[in-house]
Amino acid sequence: DIQLTQSPSFLSASVGDRVTITCRASQGISSSLAWYQQKPGIAPKLLIYAASTLQSGVPSRFSGSGSGTEFTLTISSLQPEDFAAYYCQQLESYPLTFGGGTKVEIK
Amino acid sequence: QVQLQESGPGLVKPSQTLSLTCTVSGGSISSGGNYWSWIRQHPGKALEWIGCIFYSGATFYNPSLKSRVTISVDTSKNYFSLKLSSVTAADTAVYYCARERRHFDWNWVDPWGQGTLVTVSS
Repeated sequence: DIQLTQSPSFLSASVGDRVTITCRASQGISSSLAWYQQKPGIAPKLLIYAASTLQSGVPSRFSGSGSGTEFTLTISSLQPEDFAAYYCQQLESYPLTFGGGTKVEIK
Repeated sequence: QVQLQESGPGLVKPSQTLSLTCTVSGGSISSGGNYWSWIRQHPGKALEWIGCIFYSGATFYNPSLKSRVTISVDTSKNYFSLKLSSVTAADTAVYYCARERRHFDWNWVDPWGQGTLVTVSS
């Protein structure tokens, strides 16, 4: 199985901050990576797929980059509605796997 | 647009079989490029992919659960199902159904159902 390691697991930030979350894959996965946002009690929401393609309707302050084994999700200016958990997922091969998550909380 | 809705018992006894159904609306389950998936999330934990099925019946399972999992599809009724046998407390989780969409070289999981909490307890 392809393991995904997310860092940090917890992040405290203020509204307006630039936030970066990293996801490292245990082997190369090309650009087969997606990012999801999850708020408590709600299903995950797709933000980015193919490492850098913004899903329709997702604000442009979210961006993704990377390929191979290292990927980043960046929120350019954190908004109050962005406080949530974020997960990366590899879709290169089955079984699909997820990172351990990053919880973004208000400082 | 496609929407998914899970249904099934919220409480299952240990050693029994967990059974859930996901009803697909707003689109045909037989549309190409779609793999219908089950994903679970233990309380306060990360997400775990269980497996998926193509409308033809082809399945892919997580090896960690493969011996206990069966995913099936009913194209006439536009739903797919999950069965997980011999459950224990460790199978207590929120279970999501979702669509894995494949388009050219890329794939992603969207949309997701709202999720259903299944508790394993006597």
